[in-house]
Amino acid sequence: RKEVEQDPGPFNVPEGATVAFNCTYSNSASQSFFWYRQDCRKEPKLLMSVYSSGNEDGRFTAQLNRASQYISLLIRDSKLSDSATYLCVVIKTGANNLFFGTGTRLTVIP
Amino acid sequence: SAVISQKPSRDICQRGTSLTIQCQVDSQVTMMFWYRQQPGQSLTLIATANQGSEATYESGFVIDKFPISRPNLTFSTLTVSNMSPEDSSIYLCSVEGGLFYEQYFGPGTRLTVT
Repeated sequence: RKEVEQDPGPFNVPEGATVAFNCTYSNSASQSFFWYRQDCRKEPKLLMSVYSSGNEDGRFTAQLNRASQYISLLIRDSKLSDSATYLCVVIKTGANNLFFGTGTRLTVIP
Repeated sequence: SAVISQKPSRDICQRGTSLTIQCQVDSQVTMMFWYRQQPGQSLTLIATANQGSEATYESGFVIDKFPISRPNLTFSTLTVSNMSPEDSSIYLCSVEGGLFYEQYFGPGTRLTVT
């Protein structure tokens, strides 16, 4: 089983829509969780860390459910500039390396 | 977050040759990481490089194929040796930089092996 699993999409949504991505992780000892954004032919960039209590940054809301071992990202009022691949990333306790999901491709349509 | 640069940004190489990729950070960091992103796939960790010690390789990656140097706290190199077309990939370095051990990535080196 993969460490991190995501629906690869693609998700094609109109501008202004709300879209949600989910991600599951296999290791219950995982300690840190992130969403990264990767634009085409660019490096991944940290979008937000995911806190146990959930957190919000503008139009983006991230939530963590440790019992079910899933992480979610909600994007409200989608913009054209939100079009990218969103990567779910997990760090296991005692490890330094990031485990990446395969990414979910989002295209926001005018 | 740290500013990270990589050289070269891209290269086309012949099979059987080797390419050394450089990663430079604008601040001192303890750990640097090398990842590979094959076409259409997500990132896979190759190795972790600490200054003054041998790199730690992940399963499936060996030092003879991917030798790494870490001569100081701001610089590292990854060599892709005896290349084959299967090594065609994007190679990225990263550094750890936050409260939750998040990492920040360099722009990547796009390698094509013919």
